Amino acid sequence: KQEVTQIPAALSVPEGENLVLNCSFTDSAIYNLQWFRQDPGKGLTSLLLIQSSQREQTSGRLNASLDKSSGRSTLYIAASQPGDSATYLCAVRPTDSWGKLQFGAGTQVVVTP
Amino acid sequence: DVKVTQSSRYLVKRTGEKVFLECVQDMDHENMFWYRQDPGLGLRLIYFSYDVKMKEKGDIPEGYSVSREKKERFSLILESASTNQTSMYLCASRSVREGLKITDTQYFGPGTRLTVL
Repeated sequence: KQEVTQIPAALSVPEGENLVLNCSFTDSAIYNLQWFRQDPGKGLTSLLLIQSSQREQTSGRLNASLDKSSGRSTLYIAASQPGDSATYLCAVRPTDSWGKLQFGAGTQVVVTP
Repeated sequence: DVKVTQSSRYLVKRTGEKVFLECVQDMDHENMFWYRQDPGLGLRLIYFSYDVKMKEKGDIPEGYSVSREKKERFSLILESASTNQTSMYLCASRSVREGLKITDTQYFGPGTRLTVL
């Protein structure tokens, strides 16, 4: 069974520093990997989706990489801002799923002014 | 913009009550999902539906049932609520195409925080 792990569970950085969030998964048989953001008490917002054939995706200050063979993805957030404070979750879609996602537990990020 | 709405943000029920959580999406998506989210455990899939009247069990279906009579609406039912069903419940719908672009993005509702006393 696919397992998705995010370490660390929590992270605090000063404003302006680059953020590096890690996600690892145990089975490389995936269609894609998605990064989400969740604000306290709210639903999830999709940030980036990387197909299994891609190595990275970029959107503004966000860049996500994927190394399928080693079962790892990294989300980089450049020049962090207090508004980036949130929980970030990664999710993989296994190849044998019907659109179902397997989520990590998330990394809670606090960016201090 | 895709919109997924859930019937309640907060709900308090008593043990043994039957509970209905409703989810509505406005983008004609075929696939819809119900998750629960608990601290340290992340999101776990309860049930999903790939089309009207179609449903499949997820990872933790025990104690739950679902209904999908119309494409835009997916309901989660707790037949007899128990305290261990106190949780945040999140609904999502899945887009496989946006214009001419093939995609695979899940759009989430704001969640319902359910407390069972």
